[in-house]
Amino acid sequence: AQTVTQSQPEMSVQEAETVTLSCTYDTSESDYYLFWYKQPPSRQMILVIRQEAYKQQNATENRFSVNFQKAAKSFSLKISDSQLGDAAMYFCAYTRGGSQGNLIFGKGTKLSVKP
Amino acid sequence: DAGVIQSPRHEVTEMGQEVTLRCKPISGHDYLFWYRQTMMRGLELLIYFNNNVPIDDSGMPEDRFSAKMPNASFSTLKIQPSEPRDSAVYFCASSSRRTGELNEQFFGPGTRLTVL
Repeated sequence: AQTVTQSQPEMSVQEAETVTLSCTYDTSESDYYLFWYKQPPSRQMILVIRQEAYKQQNATENRFSVNFQKAAKSFSLKISDSQLGDAAMYFCAYTRGGSQGNLIFGKGTKLSVKP
Repeated sequence: DAGVIQSPRHEVTEMGQEVTLRCKPISGHDYLFWYRQTMMRGLELLIYFNNNVPIDDSGMPEDRFSAKMPNASFSTLKIQPSEPRDSAVYFCASSSRRTGELNEQFFGPGTRLTVL
């Protein structure tokens, strides 16, 4: 069975600094997708960034980028120039490719941003 | 598009009562998912539908839970009878296999259920 592990329950970063959130996963599939979702106090799940497993190039979205290490099954999220609005729970998620399937989530990392 | 719509946003009920959560997916999406979020178990799938047909309900905790999708624009998740351990946030999400959507799921705002 596929699993997603986030080993950092909480992280803290100073405003304008850079922080990296860790995620590892386990799967025997070769075709899959990985995501980072942000959940602010409003509870809304917001997609931050996504990565297709077949792509070697790391995905980037403005201040957010990933370090995708397929052989190591690692998918970390880097947030540059952290802003107060980045404070939230961050969830790493996996879904298999091909036919649509459910997302498998990690337990989440609570990110605090200090002014 | 208004996004995924869920109602109610908050529900407080007493143990033993029936609870019905509602979801309207994004128009044109052919997949609909129900997730539950708790502190202990995190986010976990309860059931998902494709073209209104249930595909995987292995996450439904027990017979007290049931889900239906009578048409492409509406789904319900029912708990009868409800128990305090059902207290959680319930999310509905929808997605489409159209090219370029990369299996992305779009989430509703969630329903916070409290069973006293």
